[in-house]
Amino acid sequence: QKEVEQNSGPLSVPEGAIASLNCTYSDRGSQSFFWYRQYSGKSPELIMFIYSNGDKEDGRFTAQLNKASQYVSLLIRDSQPSDSATYLCAVKFLGFSGGGADGLTFGKGTHLIIQP
Amino acid sequence: KAGVTQTPRYLIKTRGQQVTLSCSPISGHRSVSWYQQTPGQGLQFLFEYFSETQRNKGNFPGRFSGRQFSNSRSEMNVSTLELGDSALYLCASSLGSVAGADTQYFGPGTRLTVL
Repeated sequence: QKEVEQNSGPLSVPEGAIASLNCTYSDRGSQSFFWYRQYSGKSPELIMFIYSNGDKEDGRFTAQLNKASQYVSLLIRDSQPSDSATYLCAVKFLGFSGGGADGLTFGKGTHLIIQP
Repeated sequence: KAGVTQTPRYLIKTRGQQVTLSCSPISGHRSVSWYQQTPGQGLQFLFEYFSETQRNKGNFPGRFSGRQFSNSRSEMNVSTLELGDSALYLCASSLGSVAGADTQYFGPGTRLTVL
């Protein structure tokens, strides 16, 4: 069973602080990991992806992956009110049919609120 | 480069009817994946089409089907609609690589309401 778990929140962070979003996944046969941001009433927007252990930085965002612990996180530095949204963690698991990776499995998202 | 487009954006149907949703991927993308998003279940994978063939399928009943055309545009069909099919239907396109981080980009979605 492929599962992706996220704390639903809401996670409240003061403006300018670091927001830390966490995600755990069930299957060691995972391949790549994605973070999407979704504003209310809108579709998911890709923030970044990671597939190697360690940290990956992109502007104010840092993704961290620890495959041994089956854990991926997203840090948002200098949080802004415009960062208030639901953050979705998605995992691409290896398929069993030999046809390649399965579709993305999403967590239910963490609702982040940045307080001005 | 134009993004993923979906039509229609909003749809209201009654139980028992069928519906067809359309998705045009980003130019050059050959893979189209469909997802259903509901408040209770979140985002769930329906199926993926690549080069006009269904490559992967999620755990949805056979009432949900799709196809892809030679220009990579895709359609999704839901027959015999049920109240529980009310959801936001999202399509996402990607290059379709099976290795590494094949990044999916989402369209704006079709909001389906079943009465």
